[in-house]
Amino acid sequence: GENVEQHPSTLSVQEGDSAVIKCTYSDSASNYFPWYKQELGKRPQLIIDIRSNVGEKKDQRIAVTLNKTAKHFSLHITETQPEDSAVYFCAASIQNNDMRFGAGTRLTVKP
Amino acid sequence: GAVVSQHPSWVICKSGTSVKIECRSLDFQATTMFWYRQFPKQSLMLMATSNEGSKATYEQGVEKDKFLINHASLTLSTLTVTSAHPEDSSFYICSARTGTISGNTIYFGEGSWLTVV
Repeated sequence: GENVEQHPSTLSVQEGDSAVIKCTYSDSASNYFPWYKQELGKRPQLIIDIRSNVGEKKDQRIAVTLNKTAKHFSLHITETQPEDSAVYFCAASIQNNDMRFGAGTRLTVKP
Repeated sequence: GAVVSQHPSWVICKSGTSVKIECRSLDFQATTMFWYRQFPKQSLMLMATSNEGSKATYEQGVEKDKFLINHASLTLSTLTVTSAHPEDSSFYICSARTGTISGNTIYFGEGSWLTVV
């Protein structure tokens, strides 16, 4: 089955700096890669997603890149703000079936 | 976005009893729902895939007789933790898939904190 690895497990940046979180996946058939933001005790919120027919997608300060050959994808947050502090999860699935999550990255943005 | 509601948000039960958690898609029909378990400071672990009108598909290592899943309608899936024990205490969260397989999104419920005493 699919195995998703996520790095780093914790990330601390200064407000205004950029943050990058990387994930790798094992199943070459995976074609949908969402990123979720989760605050303590709350539901994960979808922040951006990318499908395998696209190499990059951007939404304001957030961008995701996908390298299908290397089977890795990354989340980029620019101009970070304190409210970006949360746990971020990457995930991979085949057509949204059996979605597997990475271990999560705890992002702290220091004001 | 689509709304997925989960109930209850918090539940405390005695060891040996059963507890039911409901997951509803409020403004769309969800033929497929997913149940996850999340321990503190850990990731979401897929427990089972719930398909409307058929038996759930359980992940390896998840006891289907302990975690009963029912998906009787297109808007409701339930997870029943039977004969609960303290080690079952966790954050349980469901998600539902909208739209068609080729272009769909997954939305999560609010989650349910289960404490078994």
